[in-house]
Amino acid sequence: AQKITQTQPGMFVQEKEAVTLDCTYDTSDQSYGLFWYKQPSSGEMIFLIYQGSYDEQNATEGRYSLNFQKARKSANLVISASQLGDSAMYFCAMRDYNQGGKLIFGQGTELSVKP
Amino acid sequence: DAGITQSPRHKVTETGTPVTLRCHQTENHRYMYWYRQDPGHGLRLIHYSYGVKDTDKGEVSDGYSVSRSKTEDFLLTLESATSSQTSVYFCAISESLAGVSYEQYFGPGTRLTVT
Repeated sequence: AQKITQTQPGMFVQEKEAVTLDCTYDTSDQSYGLFWYKQPSSGEMIFLIYQGSYDEQNATEGRYSLNFQKARKSANLVISASQLGDSAMYFCAMRDYNQGGKLIFGQGTELSVKP
Repeated sequence: DAGITQSPRHKVTETGTPVTLRCHQTENHRYMYWYRQDPGHGLRLIHYSYGVKDTDKGEVSDGYSVSRSKTEDFLLTLESATSSQTSVYFCAISESLAGVSYEQYFGPGTRLTVT
């Protein structure tokens, strides 16, 4: 069965520094997609970045980049130059093509950015 | 932002009463999903739809039913609400499972409390 593991329940980072949020996944599929979502205290789920299993380049979106290491089955999110507004829960997810493309989520990492 | 609305946004109901949550989209996306979010579990799929009148169960479907009579609306019904169904419910939409339209966009969520 597919599984997403986020081992960091909570993290702190100083404003303007970079931070890496860990995500490992388990799947026997060759084709899969990996996502990161941000959930601020207001509750909405905000899509950040996507990485396909066949993508040769690591995905980047502004200050977000995904460090994709296929052999290690890891898809870590890197946030550069942290801002106070980055304080939120962050979820890693994987798409399951066997069930209507549902997303399988990790338990999340709560990031706190210190001024 | 993707056009997804959920109603109601907050609801308190009593054990044993029926409850219907509505998800409405203006994006004409084919796939629609209902997830629930509980502490320690991330988001888990309840039901999903891959077209009008085409639905299937997710991993936590017991006690829930869904209907989709129009592309834009996906209803989640709790036939007889229980306290274990107290949760935050998210609707999500996706255009397709192939090509570049992999992202799932989430609605704002519905906070349901069953007393």
